[in-house]
Amino acid sequence: NAGVTQTPKFRVLKTGQSMTLLCAQDMNHEYMYWYRQDPGMGLRLIHYSVGEGTTAKGEVPDGYNVSRLKKQNFLLGLESAAPSQTSVYFCASSPLGLERGEQFFGPGTRLTVL
Amino acid sequence: AQSVTQLGSHVSVSEGALVLLRCNYSSSVPPYLFWYVQYPNQGLQLLLKYTTGATLVKGINGFEAEFKKSETSFHLTKPSAHMSDAAEYFCAVSEANSGNEKLTFGTGTRLTIIP
Repeated sequence: NAGVTQTPKFRVLKTGQSMTLLCAQDMNHEYMYWYRQDPGMGLRLIHYSVGEGTTAKGEVPDGYNVSRLKKQNFLLGLESAAPSQTSVYFCASSPLGLERGEQFFGPGTRLTVL
Repeated sequence: AQSVTQLGSHVSVSEGALVLLRCNYSSSVPPYLFWYVQYPNQGLQLLLKYTTGATLVKGINGFEAEFKKSETSFHLTKPSAHMSDAAEYFCAVSEANSGNEKLTFGTGTRLTIIP
């Protein structure tokens, strides 16, 4: 099992450019999440999904869109990147319910927007 | 709404000394509580969790935490620090049985081990 993988690992964008971050999990988990991590602020939830075809907003959703067309994949899109979106992005997945399972995290994507 | 406060963004202890990382939470319903560890340039890894039952929870790498409802705390301890424990530690809370499957994280505590 590869667990949770993220593509790419690093990316530099110019303001206004768009990009998509890919998260894939091979554990057949229902729930998937996108977080951003900024110094001194911990992890903040951007969007999440409770199953294939579903998405929901988290704490900081503005400027991001997501899609969950396949159970194993969760895509995070930036339509028009801004310097404030410079961050480390983590994807996570979990089986049904936090009581029954932990969240498994990917290795992260470091994004810099110039 | 749920929230987590981690007291001390940086903690330094000597190798072999007690590790104590503090976490206080706020939740309108009974909480699920978690401690995650993040090693440099890696994702987060679960150390331990409290959902129901015994309030003293043991995790990996010799860590444990105690849920104290009266103090709304879930402090992380390890009797004897090892150099490999140097990392950033995050406390997190979720609201039990609410259909809310989201975790709210604290801002993290960076643990440094002094040789």
